[in-house]
Amino acid sequence: EIVVAQSPATLSVSPGERATLSCRASQSVSSNLAWYQQKPGQAPRLLIYGASTRAPGVPGRFSGSGSGTEFTLTISSLQSEDFASYCCQQYNDWPHTFAQGTKLEIK
Amino acid sequence: QVTLRESGPALVKPTQTLTLTCTFSGFSLTTRKMCVSWIRQPPGKALEWLALIDWDDDKYYSTSLKTRLTISKDTSKNQVVLTMTNIDPVDTATYYCARRISARPYDSWGQGTLVTVSS
Repeated sequence: EIVVAQSPATLSVSPGERATLSCRASQSVSSNLAWYQQKPGQAPRLLIYGASTRAPGVPGRFSGSGSGTEFTLTISSLQSEDFASYCCQQYNDWPHTFAQGTKLEIK
Repeated sequence: QVTLRESGPALVKPTQTLTLTCTFSGFSLTTRKMCVSWIRQPPGKALEWLALIDWDDDKYYSTSLKTRLTISKDTSKNQVVLTMTNIDPVDTATYYCARRISARPYDSWGQGTLVTVSS
């Protein structure tokens, strides 16, 4: 089973600044990595798939990069609505494992 | 418009069997590449992938839970059912169903249903 580790667990950033989140897979997942955003009481929302492709309707300030085992989600200029939890998931191999997530807080 | 909705009991006693139903619209599980999955999230914790069934009736399960899970579909009703046997308080979670189009991740999710396991 592929283990996906995400860091940091919590990230405090000021509005307008850049946030960078990382995911590392225990073995190569090619580009089959997705990022989700989740707000309290809501279902996850797909942000990025294929490591770097934004899902429909996702603002351009969200970008993903990486392949193999190392991946990054960058939010270029944080807006108030971006303060939420973020989680990555590999869908290259069964089971499709999630990481523990990052809580993005207002600094 | 794709929608999914989870339904099932809010409270289950330990050792019982949990049955959850995902009713969806906007797509069909008879269409090639369509899949529906179950994912859960204990309160304050991470998402955990549970199971998936695809258009061809192939099924995939969580490594740690596969002996307790069964996923099935009723294409005439646009439903996917997940059963989990021998329920324990650690299974307390919000259970989500989500759609996947083969080779892509989970692009549409239900609102989730909270299941509490307690005697």
